[in-house]
Parts: sequence; structure tokens; C-alpha cells
Amino acid sequence: TQLLEQSPQFLSIQEGENLTVYCNSSSVFSSLQWYRQEPGEGPVLLVTVVTGGEVKKLKRLTFQFGDARKDSSLHITAAQPGDTGLYLCAGEEAAGNKLTFGGGTRVLVKP
Amino acid sequence: DAGVIQSPRHEVTEMGQEVTLRCKPISGHDYLFWYRQTMMRGLELLIYFNNNVPIDDSGMPEDRFSAKMPNASFSTLKIQPSEPRDSAVYFCASSRTNEKLFFGSGTQLSVL
Repeated sequence: TQLLEQSPQFLSIQEGENLTVYCNSSSVFSSLQWYRQEPGEGPVLLVTVVTGGEVKKLKRLTFQFGDARKDSSLHITAAQPGDTGLYLCAGEEAAGNKLTFGGGTRVLVKP
Repeated sequence: DAGVIQSPRHEVTEMGQEVTLRCKPISGHDYLFWYRQTMMRGLELLIYFNNNVPIDDSGMPEDRFSAKMPNASFSTLKIQPSEPRDSAVYFCASSRTNEKLFFGSGTQLSVL
């Protein structure tokens, strides 16, 4: 089983500050996905990164896939209370659609 | 599209009782996944199906857990007998091959 470690586990910041969430593994994944989950709901896909070194931007969110395809980061610029939630990374194995999820980072953005 | 539909949203039962969780995937999706989420272990894959056939059930914790997919629009996850340590949120998700995964809203299970 390929494991994904996320850090930090919990992050509390003020509105307007920046934050970075990390996702690390000792194994290589064919792709890596980032999800955001709100209380009482299932995770919702934010982005998929496939190529080593790839950087994708989604408004104030920037996602990066490590060159060796073992790690990834999510950076949020000028965080807003609406960014509050549980952020999960998930790695896809080469065969099939099977995903392995990290433990998640709980982000709280205070107004 | 209504999305992935799970029922019930909440289930409270006593230890030893049988529990059945239900899922209706998005129409046209050929993959269906059952996940379990707890604070301690995060989101764990229990089993997944492709075209109604179970592909990988290595995540099913014990023989007390079973899952079926009798047709493309319905799947069940059954726990018999249930135990307090089975308390968790159970998610169903579906996707087309190599496409985005969509999750249901989950079933919050409490076994007393």
C-alpha cells in the first residue's frame, strides 16, 4: 500500500494570510489529486496533476507536483473564510482508478 | 444530474445488529467505490467495482463486511454483526474510466 503523509494536520490563520499544505510519499504516483471537503459532505475534486514539476493555478490556489511525482503542495494566497475545510491529497496508482488518500489538513480561516 | 445518492444519511444502531448502506451512482459511471472515513484513519478504500464486478476488496476490514452491486445503478454495503468500532462516515463514489471521482454525501453510522 502506498502511503501519503499530509502536513500540517491542522492550520488556523487569519483572513488575508497565505498558507501551504504539503503531501508527501516515498512512492511514485501516476497522478495526484487535491480535494476539499466541507462538514457533512463528501470530498470535491479541486485539481489533478499528472506531470512531474507541473504547476496548476485555480484562482488563489496554486498546486505543484514534485519533479519525482512523489510529493505535492497546495498554496493558498490571501485566504478567505470560504477556504475553510478539510484538504485531502490522493494518489492514483498506475492501474485502474484506485486512489489512496492522505490523512488530510484541516484549514480554518478566521475573519 | 442528481449526483451520487446515498441512504440513509444517518444510522444509529446497537451492537450486533445488521446495517445496510445504499448507494446510487451517477448514471453512466462504470466505477463505484466504497470508502470509510474516521478521525483516526482518515479516508480508507474498502472495495471498488468496475462494471458491477468487484475488482479489489482488500480494504474490507473483516468478514462482517460485504458489498454487492446487482446492477449498474445500485450498490449496498452490509455490516453483520455491527460493532462500535464500525462507527464512521461511509462514502460511496463513482466515476467513468480515467475521469473525475464524484462522492456522495455519506452515511454517518453510529453503533452503540
